[in-house]
Amino acid sequence: DQQVKQNSPSLSVQEGRISILNCDYTNSMFDYFLWYKKYPAEGPTFLISISSIKDKNEDGRFTVFLNKSAKHLSLHIVPSQPGDSAVYFCAARMNRDDKIIFGKGTRLHILP
Amino acid sequence: DVKVTQSSRYLVKRTGEKVFLECVQDMDHENMFWYRQDPGLGLRLIYFSYDVKMKEKGDIPEGYSVSREKKERFSLILESASTNQTSMYLCASSLWRESTEAFFGQGTRLTVV
Repeated sequence: DQQVKQNSPSLSVQEGRISILNCDYTNSMFDYFLWYKKYPAEGPTFLISISSIKDKNEDGRFTVFLNKSAKHLSLHIVPSQPGDSAVYFCAARMNRDDKIIFGKGTRLHILP
Repeated sequence: DVKVTQSSRYLVKRTGEKVFLECVQDMDHENMFWYRQDPGLGLRLIYFSYDVKMKEKGDIPEGYSVSREKKERFSLILESASTNQTSMYLCASSLWRESTEAFFGQGTRLTVV
């Protein structure tokens, strides 16, 4: 049973516009949520995170929103740039056991 | 800078071989992870270790074992490699009981022929 779900396998966005990547989770015990970006043939790199006690975290062009009642989080990238084309993984962590569970990823294409 | 280093970027092994994938981290992290990435399946946790000689199974441990004899090193072992273990393998490390991110190595693309 998938605990972290990214239901959109891919997303195309015009350069300069906003990219919104979505993630749902099923386990209310998660304490911490993370977004990673991955280029082909490289390891994932950390982008931004949010604690379960917050509803928003912002870092430059990246903002993550958390809606605990809906068990939903989203990553906003604005403005989108060509270098943002990559696979984005949503992940969740429980402090109780420290495991980090990932979603299946969303491939973002930034169109010129 | 945190550094997680995987010993090989690319490996080609034969069916039935015993395969060792090595991972070393230099940040004194307690937790280390092995994931595999496959198209359409995302990153799936194979094994997790929270201390030396301690390990826990992840979601897909079958066909794999691990070894953590030293804090900085976490090895993934394919006891008898099979073609369905062809994949990208990713090692990561993180602090114990801290709400922080995990840091990943560059990955090992393993092909079993």
